[in-house]
Amino acid sequence: EAGVAQSPRYKIIEKRQSVAFWCNPISGHATLYWYQQILGQGPKLLIQFQNNGVVDDSQLPKDRFSAERLKGVDSTLKIQPAKLEDSAVYLCASSLIGQGLQETQYFGPGTRLLVL
Amino acid sequence: QQQVKQSPQSLIVQKGGISIINCAYENTAFDYFPWYQQFPGKGPALLIAIRPDVSEKKEGRFTISFNKSAKQFSLHIMDSQPGDSATYFCAASMRGGNTPLVFGKGTRLSVIA
Repeated sequence: EAGVAQSPRYKIIEKRQSVAFWCNPISGHATLYWYQQILGQGPKLLIQFQNNGVVDDSQLPKDRFSAERLKGVDSTLKIQPAKLEDSAVYLCASSLIGQGLQETQYFGPGTRLLVL
Repeated sequence: QQQVKQSPQSLIVQKGGISIINCAYENTAFDYFPWYQQFPGKGPALLIAIRPDVSEKKEGRFTISFNKSAKQFSLHIMDSQPGDSATYFCAASMRGGNTPLVFGKGTRLSVIA
């Protein structure tokens, strides 16, 4: 079974530029998460999708970050304009729909972003 | 209340020794406690998880101990091996299924020969 795919793996941009990340979850997984992992810290949720609907985006800096999940499969996360503090690894994770049970979240390898 | 506090920040253990990592939480609504293992350049991978209805869960060399009254849980790695060298994250999530994970800050484990 293929895992969660992410691209690009690395990105270097200047501050105030824009950048987009792509995620392809495990086939059949309805729930998709984007996490931000700053160096030396644990991942922090940015946004959660259930199929193509947003479940939780309370920690997404909406003035500069946006995300979409068209057709309930692939997802893109965009930053515009980027700030120095956005330098981090952006992780995508997916899980099946649970019947009130916590489903395992499977993580992709992440996209490492450096903002100069 | 959403925080999960993890310690130590880093840990060095001799090969064959026991590695112990501790986590504490405040939110009593948390009812799922996984541990994730992350190697450099990779995403976190689920190692083992526990629910508060049991006090211990063992899978091979990895054991989670859970103390509901103290709101603490820990990961024990028996017979630690150099291949276990990685960063370990504890996490927690709330009832309802498919809820986001709240992660600790991680413990960098180095197992030396």
